[in-house]
Amino acid sequence: LAKTTQPISMDSYEGQEVNITCSHNNIATNDYITWYQQFPSQGPRFIIQGYKTKVTNEVASLFIPADRKSSTLSLPRVSLSDTAVYYCLVVPNRDDKIIFGKGTRLHILP
Amino acid sequence: DSGVTQTPKHLITATGQRVTLRCSPRSGDLSVYWYQQSLDQGLQFLIQYYNGEERAKGNILERFSAQQFPDLHSELNLSSLELGDSALYFCASSAREGQNYGYTFGSGTRLTVV
Repeated sequence: LAKTTQPISMDSYEGQEVNITCSHNNIATNDYITWYQQFPSQGPRFIIQGYKTKVTNEVASLFIPADRKSSTLSLPRVSLSDTAVYYCLVVPNRDDKIIFGKGTRLHILP
Repeated sequence: DSGVTQTPKHLITATGQRVTLRCSPRSGDLSVYWYQQSLDQGLQFLIQYYNGEERAKGNILERFSAQQFPDLHSELNLSSLELGDSALYFCASSAREGQNYGYTFGSGTRLTVV
């Protein structure tokens, strides 16, 4: 499984756009990039997944450059309720276990 | 409500005891995954089942076991409990082969061993 590296923590303010970058230098051809969000004492929640270029849904956007060695999760106009841990994962396109790293602890300030 | 149901939500038990955690996957999902989350270890993958068969094992202790039943619900059995087993235990499910669908997690069972 490809190893991922992301910042341990980030602070931002309400209304700002937050970008969390994840590096995955050893990503394989069949790997997908997936992001999860976890609030305290709750299970992680799937946010977004992509293979290349850009993916957007109602929650976030995911930018993946052509070499796929990194990806950026973009959260538009964050609010206090976006305070959570965000996990970047690289998983093969098969039913395989997901190994979670430490994630990025995002703290939104008023 | 994620559609993945875990019971009980809270469990307090003594060292040396045995407990069973239950997970009902989202309707139609064939895969079930168990994770343990403690403050110092983060989310640790324990074991995965697909349509009743064990598919992958992670850092699961020999004192722990799991199974997935024909109706696709799963149980995680923890025996000879130690203080260090106190943690949040999450179950997740996914539709079928292929990671395209992501995992749906339940709200967890908080186990406290005293």
